[in-house]
Amino acid sequence: GEDVEQSLFLSVREGDSSVINCTYTDSSSTYLYWYKQEPGAGLQLLTYIFSNMDMKQDQRLTVLLNKKDKHLSLRIADTQTGDSAIYFCAESENYGGSQGNLIFGKGTKLSVKP
Amino acid sequence: SQTIHQWPATLVQPVGSPLSLECTVEGTSNPNLYWYRQAAGRGLQLLFYSVGIGQISSEVPQNLSASRPQDRQFILSSKKLLLSDSGFYLCAWFGTDTQYFGPGTRLTVL
Repeated sequence: GEDVEQSLFLSVREGDSSVINCTYTDSSSTYLYWYKQEPGAGLQLLTYIFSNMDMKQDQRLTVLLNKKDKHLSLRIADTQTGDSAIYFCAESENYGGSQGNLIFGKGTKLSVKP
Repeated sequence: SQTIHQWPATLVQPVGSPLSLECTVEGTSNPNLYWYRQAAGRGLQLLFYSVGIGQISSEVPQNLSASRPQDRQFILSSKKLLLSDSGFYLCAWFGTDTQYFGPGTRLTVL
């Protein structure tokens, strides 16, 4: 079946770059997403990338997609303590709509040390 | 603006007791609504989705059920909770180009 894998923990120093990696198995994945979940809160969609794109940049966030290797990464430049959270990778064949069947990874807990 | 409300925020229930979690949406009409569960150490799992009043699709077999009594209301229920029902329950609405998640309900079944 479909699967999304992420490393569970990442620790960086404030000001450094963070790179969170994700691999997926579903070759029909069309959309790939990154979500942020702060402690005790719901999910916040950070960004998403369509499968025909290699890269997407949005301010401090850069998403890289290697479709051949089914590898997705999220780079956070100049990481701040407020970036500490759990980051989820997810994939779907459709963008929400009537399906919304996102396949989520288990999440990577990012800890930012001052 | 679009907002999703969920309540209660936290719930502790004994095994075998009933459950009712409510999700309401503001700022849109006829939304596609979803219930997800995040169990400890696991990713999010889609439980139910609804494309309209009275229309419920279930993704996984379980002792939970969902109902959509009104356009902007989505309810997750159980007649008898199991220990394995513990987790963080998220309601979501998917718009045309974005997604909104509610603040979640932390359910602990003892």
